[in-house]
Amino acid sequence: EAQLGESGGGSVRPGGSLRLSCSASGFMFSSYWMTWVRQAPGKGLEWVANIKQDGTEENYAESVRGRFTISRDNAKNSLYLEMTDLRAADTATYYCARGNHVWLFYWGQGTLVTVSS
Amino acid sequence: QSVLTQPPSVSAAPGQKVTISCSGSTSNIGNNSVAWFQQFPGIAPKLLIYDTHKRPSEIPDRFSGSDSGTSATLAISGLQTGDEADYYCGAWDSSLRGVVFGGGTKLTVL
Repeated sequence: EAQLGESGGGSVRPGGSLRLSCSASGFMFSSYWMTWVRQAPGKGLEWVANIKQDGTEENYAESVRGRFTISRDNAKNSLYLEMTDLRAADTATYYCARGNHVWLFYWGQGTLVTVSS
Repeated sequence: QSVLTQPPSVSAAPGQKVTISCSGSTSNIGNNSVAWFQQFPGIAPKLLIYDTHKRPSEIPDRFSGSDSGTSATLAISGLQTGDEADYYCGAWDSSLRGVVFGGGTKLTVL
């Protein structure tokens, strides 16, 4: 059974940086696109970014392009999201999910990022 | 303001059937497949429907998906109190080159 677990969330001041990690197990990590989706408190889902199996293609939501970087280490079965210039609007629970586009079959439990002064 | 439009809430009695609509455009639903997700409070979303009408093996056939033009529909038959949750539609948007979601629909089973 595929399992995903996020870590690295926490509180940060506006303008700060944070790196989220997602550890994968139970499947061949290197064979799948991976995706980050976020959800602000009490709000709906927002797609953030995705990355191809070998890391050669990345896509970003307009709201984070230029500030966030998605990456992966297939040797460590890990997905990352480097977040810089954080804003209050980035406050959300961040989920990693296995799959491309909306074919998101497996999700982690999420990690909360709070951006506040 | 979500790219895909869903009704904020729907309700029906146990045992009845309910449908949730999702309206988009030719850059998303009109030319790409749709997925539906179920989310309970404080829990990660769960994939219910993919490729517009396919179900993961663990999802009961009470859940079904369909589309017509630039709209999609999730139907839930034989409603149970345990179906009370938020439901989201999503699709790839070819113009935005990203996934777009609906704003979510809260299902109440009366």
